[in-house]
Amino acid sequence: EDKVVQSPLSLVVHEGDTVTLNCSYEVTNFRSLLWYKQEKKAPTFLFMLTSSGIEKKSGRLSSILDKKELFSILNITATQTGDSAVYLCAVRTGTASKLTFGTGTRLQVTL
Amino acid sequence: SAVISQKPSRDICQRGTSLTIQCQVDSQVTMMFWYRQQPGQSLTLIATANQGSEATYESGFVIDKFPISRPNLTFSTLTVSNMSPEDSSIYLCSVERSLGGNTIYFGEGSWLTVV
Repeated sequence: EDKVVQSPLSLVVHEGDTVTLNCSYEVTNFRSLLWYKQEKKAPTFLFMLTSSGIEKKSGRLSSILDKKELFSILNITATQTGDSAVYLCAVRTGTASKLTFGTGTRLQVTL
Repeated sequence: SAVISQKPSRDICQRGTSLTIQCQVDSQVTMMFWYRQQPGQSLTLIATANQGSEATYESGFVIDKFPISRPNLTFSTLTVSNMSPEDSSIYLCSVERSLGGNTIYFGEGSWLTVV
């Protein structure tokens, strides 16, 4: 059975801090790993990673994948209160594009 | 990205009734997916909706409980049948877009509460 594990489950930081969110996986027929931000209902796409060692960056957010060790990290620098959300990691497997999600990391950024 | 509209956005339903959720995409897509997110949980795939064929259901989900239609390449419906309080969840439609590397995008979600 495919498995995606995120850590920590929740995190409280002060505005301006840097955070690292972790995602490890055990799946068959890996295709890609995706990160989403969920504030209310719809997960918002952040990154898709398919190759090891290549950092994807968007503003203060960045992510990298290690296919040998089967994990990915999502970094957020200079956090803002607007970064408060649940961050979801999902792994796509097989030809049917099925996503298996982790439980998410709930990030709260305080003033 | 993709513009994915879902209706209803939110509803309160009586136990034993059925509700159909609609998903409309702004352009043609081959694959559409339906996910469920129960309170405090992560997302779980219910089924893959293919145009012109029956939906493919994941383990633990059956067609009698969650019938799906996919009449064309921009539209799909998910029905939650004979609802119980355990069906209270957010139901999310998602699509795969080939632009930008086969990324999967989600609709706004339909928040159902069964009383």
